[in-house]
Parts: sequence; C-alpha cells; structure tokens
Amino acid sequence: EAQVTQNPRYLITVTGKKLTVTCSQNMNHEYMSWYRQDPGLGLRQIYYSMNVEVTDKGDVPEGYKVSRKEKRNFPLILESPSPNQTSLYFCASSLSSSSYNEQFFGPGTRLTVL
Amino acid sequence: DQQVKQNSPSLSVQEGRISILNCDYTNSMFDYFLWYKKYPAEGPTFLISISSIKDKNEDGRFTVFLNKSAKHLSLHIVPSQPGDSAVYFCAASSLERDMRFGAGTRLTVKP
Repeated sequence: EAQVTQNPRYLITVTGKKLTVTCSQNMNHEYMSWYRQDPGLGLRQIYYSMNVEVTDKGDVPEGYKVSRKEKRNFPLILESPSPNQTSLYFCASSLSSSSYNEQFFGPGTRLTVL
Repeated sequence: DQQVKQNSPSLSVQEGRISILNCDYTNSMFDYFLWYKKYPAEGPTFLISISSIKDKNEDGRFTVFLNKSAKHLSLHIVPSQPGDSAVYFCAASSLERDMRFGAGTRLTVKP
C-alpha cells in the first residue's frame, strides 16, 4: 500500500530533551516536506527536500533540523524542544518538486513539550 | 502573513443540501489551487484541484470554482453527506512558491 508513515504518533516530552520524528514514504517520491498544524494557522511548512541531500527552509524552520540521506526517509529533529513547538506535525511527499503536484500526507504526530 | 485565507472556521449544513466552502488568496502569482480534506487522527488527503487557466473543475459531487479577478475560490459539495464531515483546507501554489495552506474550515453535515 502506497503510504507515508510517521513515528511516533504521539509524544510527550520535556523542554530541552532532543527528539526525532521519523517519516518514511514507499512511493519513490522525490519531494518531501514537514508541516506543523496549529489552531487558526492551518498548515505551515517547516522544511522541505527536493531530493536526496537537498533540503531547504520553509516558513517556520526555527528550532528544527532535517536530513535527507535516503530518498524514502526524511526525519525531523528537535535538538532542544520548547513548549512553543507543541503542535501537530505532518510529513508529506509528492512525485516531484513541482509545486503543482498533490502531496500525500502521513497520519500526523502530536507533540507536547512540557 | 497568511497568503491563503479561509475566513469561516466552521460550517454546518443539512444532509442533501449544498455545502459551499470559501477561500481567498492575496498573492497573484498563485496559479494552481487544491482542496484537501482531513478527518480526525488522519493526515490531509487530496480532494480536487484547479489550474488558473480554468474557472471550474468538477469531480462527482465536488466542484471547485475559481474567480481570478477576485482572488477567490470555492468548493461546492452537492449533495452533502454525513461522511463529508471533516476539516477542509484550501491550498495555493505557483512555479516559484511552494504550497501555502489556509487555516481550514470544519464542515459538519447533519443527518
């Protein structure tokens, strides 16, 4: 089944404790992206990757890191999480880097930083 | 600066009636528009899209209308069904810009 998977689905952590949210897609998509969803703000892009070893900042990259060592994986790293990073996070992928392609989303990771 | 706006946080309609969800954008460079649907505890899924060279695109019960001069698009669902109850996100993109999303509208279809 073609899908985007994220782990964990739920995470409660404390300020400053490094964490990684994994994202994997099995569709051989070139483009991958991370979003956060907050009430009243919709989906805001954190980072994106047009291909392996190519990553770039989205609208809200502060406090996050990403890497794209393999085509299928695009982990999101929070080196020192803070309470304002409490949010619902979505990973997405699309066939190519064209902005005109629909994106396929993972199920989401609900993160709470205490 | 929200370049894509969905001014109605929620909408409630009766089953069988038409649902109309609205979206406005500010950046005239946007030339491709999409609607995504999101159920609780799931990621958004693509619903329908429209290119700026068209003013209407239809797919079954779903129709998207684009008014470029007003920088406005709308999603019509006819007839509405209880299974359509979800949050709907409008998105816009262009060759130079990645996709931008609105805040979403929660649609409730009452039986």
